[in-house]
Amino acid sequence: AQSVAQPEDQVNVAEGNPLTVKCTYSVSGNPYLFWYVQYPNRGLQFLLKYITGDNLVKGSYGFEAEFNKSQTSFHLKKPSALVSDSALYFCAVRGPLTGRRALTFGSGTRLQVQP
Amino acid sequence: GAGVSQTPSNKVTEKGKYVELRCDPISGHTALYWYRQSLGQGPEFLIYFQGTGAADDSGLPNDRFFAVRPEGSVSTLKIQRTERGDSAVYLCASSPQVGNEQFFGPGTRLTVL
Repeated sequence: AQSVAQPEDQVNVAEGNPLTVKCTYSVSGNPYLFWYVQYPNRGLQFLLKYITGDNLVKGSYGFEAEFNKSQTSFHLKKPSALVSDSALYFCAVRGPLTGRRALTFGSGTRLQVQP
Repeated sequence: GAGVSQTPSNKVTEKGKYVELRCDPISGHTALYWYRQSLGQGPEFLIYFQGTGAADDSGLPNDRFFAVRPEGSVSTLKIQRTERGDSAVYLCASSPQVGNEQFFGPGTRLTVL
């Protein structure tokens, strides 16, 4: 079975400071990892993914994520937070192509960026 | 281009009634997924279509839930004898091929009174 843990319900950060949203995963085989963002009353928007290759993945809106196989983590980062980054962030995992196709999501982390 | 669309955006029904939720994926996307998101939770997988066939329906909670995709494009999620516990946001997603990121629609908020 595959699973995702987002240990923080909420992360608070001041505008201009770096932010990190944590994610750890469990899956059989090599993971496909994703981050999505959800704004109020809107659908999930894709931010970035890790399939293979460089452990540091760059995505939309200045976000990046670092894949760490030994720690089974895929933390989301941004060097300088904006108030407009305030939203709900979801980490998701799926197994390799021979496995289950659907994504398994974490419970989400609410990011609050204070002006 | 047009994204994934879902109708209706909101649906209020009474316990025991039948409902249909529609998803129109991005044109050309062969894979289509249904998820359910309860308040304060991440989306949970329901069913996945590759073309017209349901390739994985292991997430459907019981036999009151059923989904179809007869022409390999639009999909309908059908819920019979609705229960209050079915209240949630139902999300649809599509992807151009297996393994790529999924693009989500805005969801249908279902409320069962």
